[in-house]
Amino acid sequence: EVQLVESGGGLVKPGGSLRLSCAASEFTFSSYTMNWVRQAPGKGLEWVSSISGSSNYTMYADSMKGRFTISRDNAKNSVFLQMTSLRAEDTAVYYCARERTSYYYDRSNYSFDLWGQGTMVTVSS
Amino acid sequence: SSELTQDPAVSVALGQTVRITCQGDSLRSYYATWYQQKPGQAPVLVIYGKNNRPSGIADRFSGSSSGNTASLTITGAQAEDEADYYCNSRDNSGNQVFGRGTKLTVL
Repeated sequence: EVQLVESGGGLVKPGGSLRLSCAASEFTFSSYTMNWVRQAPGKGLEWVSSISGSSNYTMYADSMKGRFTISRDNAKNSVFLQMTSLRAEDTAVYYCARERTSYYYDRSNYSFDLWGQGTMVTVSS
Repeated sequence: SSELTQDPAVSVALGQTVRITCQGDSLRSYYATWYQQKPGQAPVLVIYGKNNRPSGIADRFSGSSSGNTASLTITGAQAEDEADYYCNSRDNSGNQVFGRGTKLTVL
């Protein structure tokens, strides 16, 4: 089955660190840019970070730059999110998502066509 | 601006047609994507690109775009369509951005 499965969430104190993992199954993992998206309790979706298939480029939302690091291991079909200096406002469900690129004559589109079930991160003392 | 603006809430009578909109400057450069999210579940892709539906998405869902506005239309809304709907696009820096979501109520 084509799927993404996140792990590594949990309770961490402010200022602490946590490493999230996302394991991919049944698709050519290295061909896809992968992303992390989070959702705070009762709030909307927030894009966190992305990494290209060959790890050539990484991108981060401004509020995560310098604190979060995305990486991947194509041999293990996995993508990771190392989170440091965690704050209460980082409390959220963190989703791993596969990025699909579509090109048209006038514009392009970059969508998240496959999502994991999410892993909860709680930052609290 | 990299923001995407959505109405917070929309309602529709069962079987009627509803349009959910998303506005943002980046939509002049990129097509929007639409996701459906039900409580306690991960988001699901419903519309991407010019007007494409992934396999398994009902054909009552359609998308359109004009200028800086993207729209998701549900023709003949069903009770199971009650959910939060999010639009998404890249911004002009290449980052991804989401709208704040629209809560759809089916009456």
